[in-house]
Amino acid sequence: GAVVSQHPSWVICKSGTSVKIECRSLDFQATTMFWYRQFPKQSLMLMATSNEGSKATYEQGVEKDKFLINHASLTLSTLTVTSAHPEDSSFYICSARTSTGKFYGYTFGSGTRLTVV
Amino acid sequence: GESVGLHLPTLSVQEGDNSIINCAYSNSASDYFIWYKQESGKGPQFIIDIRSNMDKRQGQRVTVLLNKTVKHLSLQIAATQPGDSAVYFCAEKTGGNQFYFGTGTSLTVIP
Repeated sequence: GAVVSQHPSWVICKSGTSVKIECRSLDFQATTMFWYRQFPKQSLMLMATSNEGSKATYEQGVEKDKFLINHASLTLSTLTVTSAHPEDSSFYICSARTSTGKFYGYTFGSGTRLTVV
Repeated sequence: GESVGLHLPTLSVQEGDNSIINCAYSNSASDYFIWYKQESGKGPQFIIDIRSNMDKRQGQRVTVLLNKTVKHLSLQIAATQPGDSAVYFCAEKTGGNQFYFGTGTSLTVIP
C-alpha cells in the first residue's frame, strides 16, 4: 500500500515551453503533497507544499509563477514548469503524507527527470 | 528551510560488515526523523523512522539512534550487502508537515 505514482518519468522539452508533471496517490487519499527538486549529487530541496483545495505554500526562493502547483483532488497534484529554461533541468520528486497502520511517514514518487534543451 | 547535515559524504564498507551513517540536525524542535535510501535515478525509499521521544528504534537489519542532547542521528546497517549501496538521507520534520533533507551519504559496499 501507500504508492505514489509520478508521470512522466522522463521528459525533454525545448526552452520556453511548459511541462506538466503529475503526482498521484494510488491507494490512499493525500490531503497534502510535497514537491522537491534534486540536482545531481545533491540533496532533495523542498519546493512547495501542495494542499488539496487551496493554494500551495512555496519555500523561500521558489518562484510560484514559474512552478505552478494544482492539487484539485485528494489523489492528484500537478507541477507545471512554465517557460522552462536549461537551468530548470533537474530531477523533480513528489511525496505524499500517509498514515497506514503503525507506519506514519511520507511516500515518494519515482521522480521525473526534466531536461530542457 | 532547516539545516540538516551529514558528517561523511561517502562511505565504503566490506560486504558483511556493519555500516554506520551519521547525521547532524540543527533544529532542537524537530519531532520526527526518517532515514531514506535513494538509488540512482529513483525516488527516496523509506527505511526507518523515529520520533523525538525515542532514543532507539530497530528494524530489519537497521537501527536508528537519536541523541537529542547533541542533535545527532545515526543509521546502523547490519551485515551490509551489495544491494545496500545507495545514497542515504536523513530528514527531519518540525512542527509543520514539511521534511527537510540532509546532504546525503553515498554508501558503497565492496564485495
